[in-house]
Amino acid sequence: GENVEQHPSTLSVQEGDSAVIKCTYSDSASNYFPWYKQELGKGPQLIIDIRSNVGEKKDQRIAVTLNKTAKHFSLHITETQPEDSAVYFCAASRSSGNTGKLIFGQGTTLQVKP
Amino acid sequence: EAGVTQSPTHLIKTRGQQATLRCSPISGHTSVYWYQQALGLGLQFLLWYDEGEERNRGNFPPRFSGRQFPNYSSELNVNALELEDSALYLCASSLLGTGETQYFGPGTRLLVL
Repeated sequence: GENVEQHPSTLSVQEGDSAVIKCTYSDSASNYFPWYKQELGKGPQLIIDIRSNVGEKKDQRIAVTLNKTAKHFSLHITETQPEDSAVYFCAASRSSGNTGKLIFGQGTTLQVKP
Repeated sequence: EAGVTQSPTHLIKTRGQQATLRCSPISGHTSVYWYQQALGLGLQFLLWYDEGEERNRGNFPPRFSGRQFPNYSSELNVNALELEDSALYLCASSLLGTGETQYFGPGTRLLVL
């Protein structure tokens, strides 16, 4: 069935270091891959997304890469700051079949130490 | 531009009762999605409404239901509440269904005692 595996479950880095979170999806028809950041007591906030016709996308300190062959996609955060500390979720969805749903990974708790 | 809003922020119910959760999408968005975020289980897709119709539902029992109103707002109803229904219920909206970016609200925290 549809599944998204996310690793690691927790990640601790020093301020200024880079952080990488990796996800693997099972549904080969998936073609849309968003990343969300969820702070305590809040709903998930979209931080970046990528579609399957693109291999990489960057927005300031955040970048996402996609390897369709391996069904992997990753989030890269450079020059981390304490305010980057949160839970990060990857997700995958397909536009064909009209499912509408996002399949989420289990989340990664990122802690950035000052 | 106002984001997705949800009410109430918190809801406490007892087993067997019914809960009603409400969601207002971003202006111009016609699709509304409901997700359950239970502790340790991540976000699970519940329901998708578009143009007033239920388009898809996740692997949840029929006591989870909802509707979408002509103004595109939505409500989620959970009947015969069980302890394991305690969770954060998140609503998201998008311009169109299927592959469009979903924007989430702050959620309703439901506690079933």
